[in-house]
Amino acid sequence: AQTVTQSQPEMSVQEAETVTLSCTYDTSESDYYLFWYKQPPSRQMILVIRQEAYKQQNATENRFSVNFQKAAKSFSLKISDSQLGDAAMYFCAYRRGSGGNTGKLIFGQGTTLQVKP
Amino acid sequence: EAQVTQNPRYLITVTGKKLTVTCSQNMNHEYMSWYRQDPGLGLRQIYYSMNVEVTDKGDVPEGYKVSRKEKRNFPLILESPSPNQTSLYFCASSLGRPGANVLTFGAGSRLTVL
Repeated sequence: AQTVTQSQPEMSVQEAETVTLSCTYDTSESDYYLFWYKQPPSRQMILVIRQEAYKQQNATENRFSVNFQKAAKSFSLKISDSQLGDAAMYFCAYRRGSGGNTGKLIFGQGTTLQVKP
Repeated sequence: EAQVTQNPRYLITVTGKKLTVTCSQNMNHEYMSWYRQDPGLGLRQIYYSMNVEVTDKGDVPEGYKVSRKEKRNFPLILESPSPNQTSLYFCASSLGRPGANVLTFGAGSRLTVL
């Protein structure tokens, strides 16, 4: 069975600085997708970034980028120029690319990010 | 606006009193699912549906029922709620074909069972 682990329950960063959130996963599948979701105090689940496992190039979305290490099964999120609005809980998630229930996301435990002014 | 709508957003109930959390999407998505979020556990899938009249268990289905009579609706039913079902619930939907289809989440329903 696939698992996703976020080992940092809480992180903090100074405004305008850079922070990296860690995520590791375990799977025997070769076709899958990885995601980072942001959950602000409103509780809404907001997609931050996604990565296709078959792509070697790391995904980027403005100030957000990932470091995808497929062999190490690591998928970290880097937030550059942190802003107060980045304060939230961040979830790493895995989704299989083929086979049954491809809509299912497997989530990590979450990392709460605090941004200090 | 494309969205997933859940109701109620907040509910406090008592043990054993049947309740239904509704979920509706307006994107003609085939796939719908329910998750519960608990501290330190992330989100876990309760049930999912690949299309109308096709439902199956997720990872934590005990104590829950679902139905999919129409494509747009996927209600979550708690026949006899217990305190361990106190949680934050999310409905989500996506296109059914495999690939990097993004799940669209509802705003969440906070349920407290006393």
